[in-house]
Amino acid sequence: QSALTQPASVSGSPGQSITISCTGTSSDVGGYNYVSWYQQHPGKAPKLMIYDVSQRPSGISSRFSGSKSGNTASLTISGLQAEDEADYYCSSYTKSSTLVFGGGTKLTVL
Amino acid sequence: QVQLVQSGSELKKPGASVKVSCKASGYSFTDYGMNWVRQAPGQGLEWMGWINTNTGIPKYGQGFTGRFVFSLDTSVRTAYLQISSLKAEDTAKYFCARGTRGTSLLGYWGQGTLVTVSS
Repeated sequence: QSALTQPASVSGSPGQSITISCTGTSSDVGGYNYVSWYQQHPGKAPKLMIYDVSQRPSGISSRFSGSKSGNTASLTISGLQAEDEADYYCSSYTKSSTLVFGGGTKLTVL
Repeated sequence: QVQLVQSGSELKKPGASVKVSCKASGYSFTDYGMNWVRQAPGQGLEWMGWINTNTGIPKYGQGFTGRFVFSLDTSVRTAYLQISSLKAEDTAKYFCARGTRGTSLLGYWGQGTLVTVSS
């Protein structure tokens, strides 16, 4: 199972919006609405930000949103804030009943 | 509140074994699967597999068969990851994470356990 494809880095200024893509195949992203997004600050455990493509867990800001089209899922962060600077990982359930992560994207807030 | 508390850092020599624990609290232990995720230094997240806390049946991800074993002690609400015949490339932080629908989403994570393999 190959890792999902994410851009290595994205950046944006405070207040702007950014989008991180996550590309898989019909055997994972395209085949199930079980895409999640995780935020990880340095030295910390990952934190669930989006699940089931577009659902936000309780306590997660509405500035975070998710979507999917075909084999590509996307995470959008609007009204960028300094504390959003972190690594972001997507994951998807697969047809082999496993989980696969993306390679991760480093978000820099300029 | 849901908490997953993992055991402390380990320094092991090549060829040795290590057992990492993950103690759960704040929810019904057997209602959710327990997943394990590896993160090598400076690298991304890698799903290792999960264990069904009801049946004790594990499922291992690609590259994590043979030397890796998931186990449980439901009486103390604890999941374990054992790695045998340690190699330098096993040096990583290992996370446990509670899985909903087994493994499709990881809602709560332990703090991670750093395992360092060095002679």
